[in-house]
Order: sequence, then C-alpha cells, then structure tokens
Amino acid sequence: QVQLVQSGAEVKKPGSSVKVSCKASGGTFSSYTISWVRQAPGQGLEWMGRIIPILGIANYAQKFQGRVTITADKSTSTAYMELSSLRSEDTAVYYCARVAPISSAFDIWGQGTMVTVSS
Amino acid sequence: QSVLTQPPSVSAAPGQKVTISCSGSSSNIGNNYVSWYQQLPGTAPKLLIYDNNKRPSGIPDRFSGSKSGTSATLGITGLQTGDEADYYCGTWDSSLSAAVFGGGTKLTVL
Repeated sequence: QVQLVQSGAEVKKPGSSVKVSCKASGGTFSSYTISWVRQAPGQGLEWMGRIIPILGIANYAQKFQGRVTITADKSTSTAYMELSSLRSEDTAVYYCARVAPISSAFDIWGQGTMVTVSS
Repeated sequence: QSVLTQPPSVSAAPGQKVTISCSGSSSNIGNNYVSWYQQLPGTAPKLLIYDNNKRPSGIPDRFSGSKSGTSATLGITGLQTGDEADYYCGTWDSSLSAAVFGGGTKLTVL
C-alpha cells in the first residue's frame, strides 16, 4: 500500500522560501502523478500544481506561476514543493496527494505540513 | 472564491439522509469526472467518491455520488456522529488547466 510521508512543520520569515518534501513508500513512484494542495486556516482546498516523476514534467496553477517549483527525485521516491517570496497569506497546511492510476481523483494524501509565515 | 459552489453547511439527525450539492460549469463538472473528499477535523482529506459515482475499497455504500450536467451530488444515508466532517467536491477544469475544488460543506449530525 502506497503511503506519502511529508516533512515537518516550518516557520518562515516573509520573503523567504520553503521546501516541503513528500516521500512515497510502496508502489511504483515514478508512474504516479503527484499534486500539491494547500489549505489555509479555516479555508478550503487549493490546488497548486503537479508533477509526473517519470517524465519530470510539472504543471502549475496560474496563481502560483513563477513562485512555486515542484520537482521529484525518482531515486528516493520523493517529491518536493518549493514556494518562494513567502507572505503571511501563504500560511497553510500543504498536502501532497497521489492522482489515482485510473482516475483523476486524489486517492492517497500525505499527512500535511504546516507552514507558518511570520515576522 | 471557489470555482465549484457548495453549500457552507448541512445538518441532519442520526440515521437520516443528507445530500450535498456541487455546482460548476461546462469547463469543469460538465466535461470531467467529479470526486468527493471527507476531511475530519485536523486530518488530511480522504477520497470518498471518484469518477462521479465510484467508491474506493473500504468506503461503505452509505456514501454515493451522482452527476447531472454541470452539477454533482454527494449522498450520505444512515448518518452517524462519526460522519461529522467537512466535505469537498473536486474535478479538473479544462479552461484553467487546473484541479479545482468546492469551498467545502460542513456536515453536522444533530
């Protein structure tokens, strides 16, 4: 059974960057699509982008273009999401999620990583 | 402001049935599969329904999904207190080239 385990909580200053990791165990990591979804406190889910590790191709939501970079390391079955120029509005829980093999749904989620942006 | 529209809250008594609506457009729900997620307090979302009406292994048949045109509906029968959670619909938006979600619906089991 595939599991996604994310890195721990981060506290960052405005203007800095944060890099969150998402390590997959079980299954064939490279053949999945991994998306990143964030959730601000008390708010809904917001898709940020995705990567297909086997191709190394990433797509981003327009809102985050130029500020987010999603990468994957096939050798360690780990995906990364880096968000730059952080502002207070980026305070949120960041989730990685696998896109189901035969669907467009997100069938497996990481436990979430809380990123707090505060001066 | 979410691309998909859900009611902020719904409520019903234990044992009763509730439905949660999700409204979109031709660029998202109208031409793509819909999925539904349950988020219990303090936890990650969990997939309940995919491809409009399919349940992953382990999801009880109390949960059902349907789609008609540019709207989708999640149904939950035999409500339990453990069903109290936030529920989100999601799909792909072909115009935005992005996954989109509803704003979420808080279910209260009275």
